[in-house]
Amino acid sequence: EPEVTQTPSHQVTQMGQEVILRCVPISNHLYFYWYRQILGQKVEFLVSFYNNEISEKSEIFDDQFSVERPDGSNFTLKIRSTKLEDSAMYFCASSEALGLNNEQFFGPGTRLTVL
Amino acid sequence: SQQGEEDPQALSIQEGENATMNCSYKTSINNLQWYRQNSGRGLVHLILIRSNEREKHSGRLRVTLDTSKKSSSLLITASRAADTASYFCATPGGTSYGKLTFGQGTILTVHP
Repeated sequence: EPEVTQTPSHQVTQMGQEVILRCVPISNHLYFYWYRQILGQKVEFLVSFYNNEISEKSEIFDDQFSVERPDGSNFTLKIRSTKLEDSAMYFCASSEALGLNNEQFFGPGTRLTVL
Repeated sequence: SQQGEEDPQALSIQEGENATMNCSYKTSINNLQWYRQNSGRGLVHLILIRSNEREKHSGRLRVTLDTSKKSSSLLITASRAADTASYFCATPGGTSYGKLTFGQGTILTVHP
């Protein structure tokens, strides 16, 4: 069964460093998302992406964050200058459609630790 | 209050028993989704129920939706130790209905 994959599974970085989290969505999906989950808290929406542009973003997704689909398969989340509070699990998701059929399928996550 | 709030926050049962988790939401929705998360792992999509559906089954899972009460329930029948996980409801929203808003989740522990 097709699945969303993410790399790396764990990333440890120093505060102020740039990180790039990578995702390969399900191949026939057209909508892509990033979410994050701080330890012990809810899963929070960061951004949605369709047709090579951001569809929607949350207030968390500030200028330090960017997303890109550099080729036909990868979808990346970049954090330019990491802060301690960026430590979280980051989940990529994809869906075939929006609206009534918006089943989103999630990857296993990247655990980001900022020291 | 937040969109998509589950109760109870934690549920502990014996293998073979049924587990029922509830979710309430605030705004109008076109569907509601349930996810499972094993400790420290990714989210697994369980089931999507549309706003015009009242009940949906998938294996040992039964989901109901009451749009008049803005609530949904997830029933797991004949639970197994492997069902131990956190369960979340999620509702789409935002400008494009692509943004899922998750509740805090119910932590289910099934004792063998």
